[in-house]
Amino acid sequence: EPEVTQTPSHQVTQMGQEVILRCVPISNHLYFYWYRQILGQKVEFLVSFYNNEISEKSEIFDDQFSVERPDGSNFTLKIRSTKLEDSAMYFCASGDQPQHFGDGTRLSIL
Amino acid sequence: AQTVTQSQPEMSVQEAETVTLSCTYDTSESDYYLFWYKQPPSRQMILVIRQEAYKQQNATENRFSVNFQKAAKSFSLKISDSQLGDAAMYFCAYRISYQTGANNLFFGTGTRLTVIP
Repeated sequence: EPEVTQTPSHQVTQMGQEVILRCVPISNHLYFYWYRQILGQKVEFLVSFYNNEISEKSEIFDDQFSVERPDGSNFTLKIRSTKLEDSAMYFCASGDQPQHFGDGTRLSIL
Repeated sequence: AQTVTQSQPEMSVQEAETVTLSCTYDTSESDYYLFWYKQPPSRQMILVIRQEAYKQQNATENRFSVNFQKAAKSFSLKISDSQLGDAAMYFCAYRISYQTGANNLFFGTGTRLTVIP
């Protein structure tokens, strides 16, 4: 069964550094998402992407965040200047009904 | 605004017994989808079951079934014949159905289910 794959599984970064989280959605899916889960808290929506543009974003998704689908395959989330509070599990999802999730990238900001 | 509430932070069940996890939601929409996702210690998010709001019949998937009460805005998950592998965090989630483009999920805070051998 096709699945969403995310790399890396764990990323450790110094505060203030840029980080890029990568996702390969399921190939025939048209809708892509990033969600975040701070340890011990619920999963929160960050951004959705459709037809090569952002279709919706939450208040968490500020100017420090950006998304790209550079080559029609990968779907990336970039955080320009990381903060301690960006430490979380980041999930990529694709699809519509239902959304299929990747295994997540654990981001640790030091 | 759409909100999803799971009032049971933790639940436990004896192996082979049945357990029900509660979920309520708030929406002004009439057409939407509801989901239960399972998150084992490995932290994956695995879809367990989904329900379309326009369908009166409760969804079932093997040992998993829901009790969908639209008027009460309630969507509980029943796990029958519980197995050790069912131990996980369970999240209830909601999304609107009619908007074009990508529709994000709203999640509850989760219920941690422990299965006792």
